[in-house]
Amino acid sequence: DTEVTQTPKHLVMGMTNKKSLKCEQHMGHRAMYWYKQKAKKPPELMFVYSYEKLSINESVPSRFSPECPNSSLLNLHLHALQPEDSALYLCASSASGTSLDGYTFGSGTRLTVV
Amino acid sequence: AQRVTQPEKLLSVFKGAPVELKCNYSYSGSPELFWYVQYSRQRLQLLLRHISRESIKGFTADLNKGETSFHLKKPFAQEEDSAMYYCALSGRRLTGGGNKLTFGTGTQLKVEL
Repeated sequence: DTEVTQTPKHLVMGMTNKKSLKCEQHMGHRAMYWYKQKAKKPPELMFVYSYEKLSINESVPSRFSPECPNSSLLNLHLHALQPEDSALYLCASSASGTSLDGYTFGSGTRLTVV
Repeated sequence: AQRVTQPEKLLSVFKGAPVELKCNYSYSGSPELFWYVQYSRQRLQLLLRHISRESIKGFTADLNKGETSFHLKKPFAQEEDSAMYYCALSGRRLTGGGNKLTFGTGTQLKVEL
């Protein structure tokens, strides 16, 4: 398995809802990432997990809460989002240590906040 | 700080013409540079890594540390090359593994018949 799988592919949620995005990989990668991508813009880093520990939080608002239950899974819990949070949320993984293999990206969850 | 600049938002070429997508970077240490490609309705995928000095789908990219550039080139453009291309830099290696990948703003390549 050489893919990163994200579910759901599409999500519409109200500003008072609580929802979660899921990401899974079985490549043995020990670093996993959440990126946010607005239309016609590059991906922007949100969070980095390395060996299931949070390494980087790029000053993301607390209404986004990441979780890494094990080395294969990465979740992003959403609560009280704003319409401007509507975007494509991308999960990626990479081998840790000195690997230069780059990232493997999932196909993303397209989130619409209404 | 690490920064990647792609000066062209859109590059339009004719089929069979040479292609050069420009990328310049800013990083005080030793960078690792990549090109990623996003075809219409497909996921972002790795195209090239500077460390491997490979040619993928006819594309090559050479790291020029003097000019802090990593331009992507292809001698003869094909229609299927039409896509969004992102240059990316990984400079900060994190304790315990993982790295921070910073993307340029992207260049939309359009190959016309």
